[in-house]
Amino acid sequence: DTGVSQDPRHKITKRGQNVTFRCDPISEHNRLYWYRQTLGQGPEFLTYFQNEAQLEKSRLLSDRFSAERPKGSFSTLEIQRTEQGDSAMYLCASSSRGSKNIQYFGAGTRLSVL
Amino acid sequence: TQLLEQSPQFLSIQEGENLTVYCNSSSVFSSLQWYRQEPGEGPVLLVTVVTGGEVKKLKRLTFQFGDARKDSSLHITAAQPGDTGLYLCAGAAMKTSYDKVIFGPGTSLSVIP
Repeated sequence: DTGVSQDPRHKITKRGQNVTFRCDPISEHNRLYWYRQTLGQGPEFLTYFQNEAQLEKSRLLSDRFSAERPKGSFSTLEIQRTEQGDSAMYLCASSSRGSKNIQYFGAGTRLSVL
Repeated sequence: TQLLEQSPQFLSIQEGENLTVYCNSSSVFSSLQWYRQEPGEGPVLLVTVVTGGEVKKLKRLTFQFGDARKDSSLHITAAQPGDTGLYLCAGAAMKTSYDKVIFGPGTSLSVIP
């Protein structure tokens, strides 16, 4: 396994369109996280899954955002009716239980909303 | 609300110089990680510190966790252009049911050849 992978790496969309991102975690990791990062800032927590259960959602995750992890493996993050303020890097990370909170990140999906 | 502050926000130095960046909080963390992130890429884990007062070395990088587990420092000796990047500290919250990690805003380091 080569690590956390995210697809696509870049997405350009028009305001109002829906977009979906995919994250494949490290295979033995049961915990998966989504973050959003804007230029010059650290990643901001969006949501967390343990296996297929979504256990926490940040207030940053508005009603237009939804995340799923249907089989406890890969995850998707969908943004409906995108706004220019959604432009950011969306990062996925995974970790295993008992890993001393060590999260491994993917390369991210860069979203640009025009 | 737990917050992590990092200083300085930006640092530009000449190759060969030494530097220290800091990560501070009023909260206690069960562990703290340092990551380096290059433009357009995800953060890459450098080190995890767990015990108060712990010091870890990674080649020219020295990491220290404060005795009270509220702060940390990263010292780079003889910086090289390849050290350029955004250095992020991330603290793992105490007493949570999962691995909630809070990131600082980062220190952007530029090493000039």
